[in-house]
Amino acid sequence: DTAVSQTPKYLVTQMGNDKSIKCEQNLGHDTMYWYKQDSKKFLKIMFSYNNKELIINETVPNRFSPKSPDKAHLNLHINSLELGDSAVYFCASSHELTGGAPGELFFGEGSRLTVL
Amino acid sequence: AQSVSQHNHHVILSEAASLELGCNYSYGGTVNLFWYVQYPGQHLQLLLKYFSGDPLVKGIKGFEAEFIKSKFSFNLRKPSVQWSDTAEYFCAVMGNTDKLIFGTGTRLQVFP
Repeated sequence: DTAVSQTPKYLVTQMGNDKSIKCEQNLGHDTMYWYKQDSKKFLKIMFSYNNKELIINETVPNRFSPKSPDKAHLNLHINSLELGDSAVYFCASSHELTGGAPGELFFGEGSRLTVL
Repeated sequence: AQSVSQHNHHVILSEAASLELGCNYSYGGTVNLFWYVQYPGQHLQLLLKYFSGDPLVKGIKGFEAEFIKSKFSFNLRKPSVQWSDTAEYFCAVMGNTDKLIFGTGTRLQVFP
């Protein structure tokens, strides 16, 4: 059973298109994240949701819109795709430790987006 | 603001050599520290973590890391590497912002 699953794994599309990446976790975690990994392998947090509520929103263009229909799902929608959006997008989830702090993150296998 | 520095960008070793990857963080408060590994074409997996207690932390696959608070460091070590350890290694820190901030990663190549 995959703990954190993302679809699609690969996505190739043209500039200007709109696309979505879906993420689901079956770990019962309350918090989910989206990270972007660029071509140099640098990982940067984009968003974090806790119980469907947005708690972290880094400096990300408005073209990126996360949606969390329930605490097990966090989808990422991207409008008007640009060349610079090409990257691997990782979804992750974590549980809350005592005191409310997040524990370790469990990552999905990544979704490689290529914008032509 | 939290930040993480990994000074070794690319490390090349022969099998059985010892490994130490540097990690320094910048944050004034209490931190949780992590090392993640990313094998070629795969997702990130947790190697080990430090939240509190014994500053010498043992993880999976023979890895360990030592938290030295005075040096703001959390270096990763393994006494004898194997070819299968070839991967990208990421140090990460989480302070009170609840954001896990990653270093830029160290690419480890192990040759038989």
